[in-house]
Amino acid sequence: GAVVSQHPSWVICKSGTSVKIECRSLDFQATTMFWYRQFPKQSLMLMATSNEGSKATYEQGVEKDKFLINHASLTLSTLTVTSAHPEDSSFYICSARVRLAAEQFFGPGTRLTVL
Amino acid sequence: GNSVTQMEGPVTLSEEAFLTINCTYTATGYPSLFWYVQYPGEGLQLLLKATKADDKGSNKGFEATYRKETTSFHLEKGSVQVSDSAVYFCSFTRGNMLTFGGGTRLMVKP
Repeated sequence: GAVVSQHPSWVICKSGTSVKIECRSLDFQATTMFWYRQFPKQSLMLMATSNEGSKATYEQGVEKDKFLINHASLTLSTLTVTSAHPEDSSFYICSARVRLAAEQFFGPGTRLTVL
Repeated sequence: GNSVTQMEGPVTLSEEAFLTINCTYTATGYPSLFWYVQYPGEGLQLLLKATKADDKGSNKGFEATYRKETTSFHLEKGSVQVSDSAVYFCSFTRGNMLTFGGGTRLMVKP
């Protein structure tokens, strides 16, 4: 149980295009989903927290107009990187949590490469 | 503020050696503590957890005990295998926020 999937697992795009990453909780309803960014050989950096049906809360320094997060249902959250640039290349990881639970369950990650 | 400090890697061990990865945290109240493992090219997997003082989390031969008095949650395994090679993250949660340490890369040689 507690499986989180991400799609796509790897995407390469041209500079200036937008990329959408999906995060799904497959066997549970996630009241809260989180989006992280991870640079090579570094820890995870929380980008934003989203609760189903409400606007995402972004961490300081994260551009909300560039990283659009939608959490339309209890099993799906999407992250759209708008007008992507090479510096947006990174490993993006989502996680999901059930209400009142302590632990988060992580997706396998999406590697974004912007050319 | 809230933070997690874990030993820097890489930690290189021979197969069947004893493993300790130190982790200490700074947080108010009584957070829940976790160890996550990340294999190359993958996301994070929950390895073990402890939700209150003196709890011992264990999984796959790994153990960690929640020490409130020393604010520590050191990860141990008695006999590591090559397949344990990965990056290990110590973390805690308070409310909605999960705070991670910097990660410790473990390399186990046959």
